[in-house]
Order: sequence, then C-alpha cells, then structure tokens
Amino acid sequence: EAGVAQSPRYKIIEKRQSVAFWCNPISGHATLYWYQQILGQGPKLLIQFQNNGVVDDSQLPKDRFSAERLKGVDSTLKIQPAKLEDSAVYLCASGTGPNQPQHFGDGTRLSIL
Amino acid sequence: AQSVTQLDSQVPVFEEAPVELRCNYSSSVSVYLFWYVQYPNQGLQLLLKYLSGSTLVKGINGFEAEFNKSQTSFHLRKPSVHISDTAEYFCAVSAVNAGNMLTFGGGTRLMVKP
Repeated sequence: EAGVAQSPRYKIIEKRQSVAFWCNPISGHATLYWYQQILGQGPKLLIQFQNNGVVDDSQLPKDRFSAERLKGVDSTLKIQPAKLEDSAVYLCASGTGPNQPQHFGDGTRLSIL
Repeated sequence: AQSVTQLDSQVPVFEEAPVELRCNYSSSVSVYLFWYVQYPNQGLQLLLKYLSGSTLVKGINGFEAEFNKSQTSFHLRKPSVHISDTAEYFCAVSAVNAGNMLTFGGGTRLMVKP
C-alpha cells in the first residue's frame, strides 16, 4: 500500500511569512495526526483528526497555526505568521483507530530565516 | 498526563555487540507503549508495541522490549546490532482509551561502530 505522502519535503521562509504543508494519508485511514519535531527532540502532537473532525488540538498554537482536513482525507497545516522557533520537521501520520499503529510520512523540514 | 524519559541521548556500541536502550514513563492511568525508529531524513517506523498480555514483546529487525509495570519501564534490547541499526529511537506512550494520542520521549541516538 502507498504510504503517507507529505509535501513539500523542504521549505525555507523568512519570519513573519506564511507557509502551508500538505498531507495525504494512507487510503482508508480515518485518523490523521500532525506532529512538530524540533531538532534533537521527540515529536510533539499538534492536532488529531478523526475523519474531518478535530479530536484534540490542545497543543496547537492557535494564534498562528491552523489545520483542516477537507472531506476526511487530505489535510493541510498552515503557519501564519511564522516565528524563528517554528523551525522544525512537521510530521503527518495516519491510522485506522485506537490501539492501531500510526504510519508516518517523511515530514516537511521547515527553516525560518 | 503522561511523560516519557529516555535516559540516554546517545548510545555508542560496536557492531555485533548487544544493546539496551532505556525508557521510563510516568502516568496515572494504564498505558500502551511503543518504540519507533527514525532513520535520517525519514519519518518514524514502528518497531514494536505493548498493548496487553505477555510483557516481553518482539518486534521487527530482531528488537524486543520488556514491559515492567512496577518499575514503569519499557527498555528496548537487541542481542547483536548491525551497522544498519544506526538511527534515532523513540519510546512513546498513549493512555488507554485516549484516542491513541502519543507522547514521545526525547530520543536515543544509537551509533553502531565497525
């Protein structure tokens, strides 16, 4: 089966600019997750979707970050405006439900100048 | 809330030697436990998971882990490592019946030397 697809793989922007990441989960996976992985740290969950509804977004900085999952399939994560501390790898994962493993994409590496 | 501590940020080891990567967790509720591996510039791949039952869990690539509830640990082991095992390893927990939301440790970089 095809894995979780993410684009772009790399993005460089200046602070205060906006940026968007795209994720296409594995076909049939109802649950979708966005993680932020700062260099040298473990991934931190930003938001979890079940189909097109938000399950948890308690760690999403909502003043600058937003995410949506149209029609319960693809998802986009947006940052506006970006800050230097947003430099990280943004990972998307999908799964079939509770107790099932999450399948990760290769991530988008964001660098803020 | 849950937390995960990986006690070693780096573990150097010679090829064909055994290795143990340590993981301790804290939680007020029952948890599921996972180990993931991350190769450079790639996403995370599941090595193994503990949901219930036998406390000794076997995973892919010859890895295994043992759940110790009294010590709140879930250490990862491999009897003989290969150069190709060089990667970052992450321990993670999720609370039972909490929607599979993972909390990750800070990671351990396994460096296998020839």
